[in-house]
Amino acid sequence: DGGITQSPKYLFRKEGQNVTLSCEQNLNHDAMYWYRQDPGQGLRLIYYSQIVNDFQKGDIAEGYSVSREKKESFPLTVTSAQKNPTAFYLCASTLAENTEAFFGQGTRLTVV
Amino acid sequence: AQSVTQLDSQVPVFEEAPVELRCNYSSSVSVYLFWYVQYPNQGLQLLLKYLSGSTLVKGINGFEAEFNKSQTSFHLRKPSVHISDTAEYFCAVRAPYSGGSNYKLTFGKGTLLTVNP
Repeated sequence: DGGITQSPKYLFRKEGQNVTLSCEQNLNHDAMYWYRQDPGQGLRLIYYSQIVNDFQKGDIAEGYSVSREKKESFPLTVTSAQKNPTAFYLCASTLAENTEAFFGQGTRLTVV
Repeated sequence: AQSVTQLDSQVPVFEEAPVELRCNYSSSVSVYLFWYVQYPNQGLQLLLKYLSGSTLVKGINGFEAEFNKSQTSFHLRKPSVHISDTAEYFCAVRAPYSGGSNYKLTFGKGTLLTVNP
């Protein structure tokens, strides 16, 4: 079945450590996105990529980095510069114009 | 740029009652509109979408929404809710594709619908 796979579902890290969240899609979608979700804040866009080897900052990119070396993959690294990294992270993808976004099941990151 | 306002952060209702979740948007261009549902600790699932055509859009699970361009609204409705409809609902907008523009969605902050027995 086609879809978006995020791993792991739960992730615990010590403060000051970098951590990478995985996002893979087999939908052959062009664009991929990372959102951060906090209670009462809705979804806030971190980074997005419309084509391989190209990506743009979203609204809250500070402290995060991404890469898009393959169409299927869009990993997100939460760096030690991110002041409050504990959150629920959602990856999404879209085919092109006129289509909705498809979402993964999310990764809950807890930094202790 | 687009923005989305969901007018109610929480909506409690009794089972079998009707419900309306309100969404207003602002944009300098025409937009595409979406409603998503999120169950606890899960990703988002599309309920329905408006791209063009009929302003009344029907979605999954008995939900429907009406696009009102003059009021820049896209309210979600269901005539009779079930306990299983308890979830968070998000309204989202996106500008139509125009060559070099991006596809990104802008989300509202969500409305928590709680259906009580």
